[in-house]
Amino acid sequence: DAKTTQPPSMDCAEGRAANLPCNHSTISGNEYVYWYRQIHSQGPQYIIHGLKNNETNEMASLIITEDRKSSTLILPHATLRDTAVYYCIVRISSGSARQLTFGSGTQLTVLP
Amino acid sequence: EAQVTQNPRYLITVTGKKLTVTCSQNMNHEYMSWYRQDPGLGLRQIYYSMNVEVTDKGDVPEGYKVSRKEKRNFPLILESPSPNQTSLYFCASSLFAGEAAKNIQYFGAGTRLSVL
Repeated sequence: DAKTTQPPSMDCAEGRAANLPCNHSTISGNEYVYWYRQIHSQGPQYIIHGLKNNETNEMASLIITEDRKSSTLILPHATLRDTAVYYCIVRISSGSARQLTFGSGTQLTVLP
Repeated sequence: EAQVTQNPRYLITVTGKKLTVTCSQNMNHEYMSWYRQDPGLGLRQIYYSMNVEVTDKGDVPEGYKVSRKEKRNFPLILESPSPNQTSLYFCASSLFAGEAAKNIQYFGAGTRLSVL
C-alpha cells in the first residue's frame, strides 16, 4: 500500500468547511484512496473512498488531483461532533486480506 | 441496523485468567478481523478470517487465539493474559470482494482490556 502523509493537526470553526489534505505521491494505478475517522477511542468509521474521480456522499466530499498524488477530504459544514482523528489510506481494492494501515492521521478540532 | 458488536466493552482481569472477547456482525460479511490499538503504535492486526473455518495470523498474533465456526461470530481468546496485552481492541468486518466498495471495513465500538 502506498504511504500517505497528513498534517498532524488542524482546527476548523464550527459551521465552516473543513479541508483535510493527504499526500500519496507513490500511489499506483489500481490503488484507491479511503478516508476513515476515529472519534476518541471509538471504532474507526468509514467516510468515503475514490479512485480518480471526485466523490461525494452524505458525510463528505473527496477531491483527488488529476495526477492522483494528493487528495482532500472536505466536510462542508463542520460540527463539534466532527472532532476526530482523520485517516487517509491508500490501498488496492481487491484480493488483499492485509490490514488497514492507519498511520498517524490528522487530529481535526472543530471550535465553537 | 447494520453493526459489529463487541462484548464486553470494558474488562479488567488478572494475569493468567483465560478470557474471551466476543464479536458478532449482522451484515453477512465474509471477512472479519481483530486489531489492537496502543498509543503511538496505531492499529495493529492480530488475526483475520476470510470465511468460516479460515483464519490467519496478522502482525501481532502471539498470545491470542481466534475461531470462526459461524459466519457472524469471530471471538478473540486470550488463554493466559499478560499485562502487555492491556490495550484497546477492535473487531472489524467487510464483504471482502473485488470491488472497492465491498472492501470497506466496519468496526465495533471497542473493548478496553486491562490485565493486572
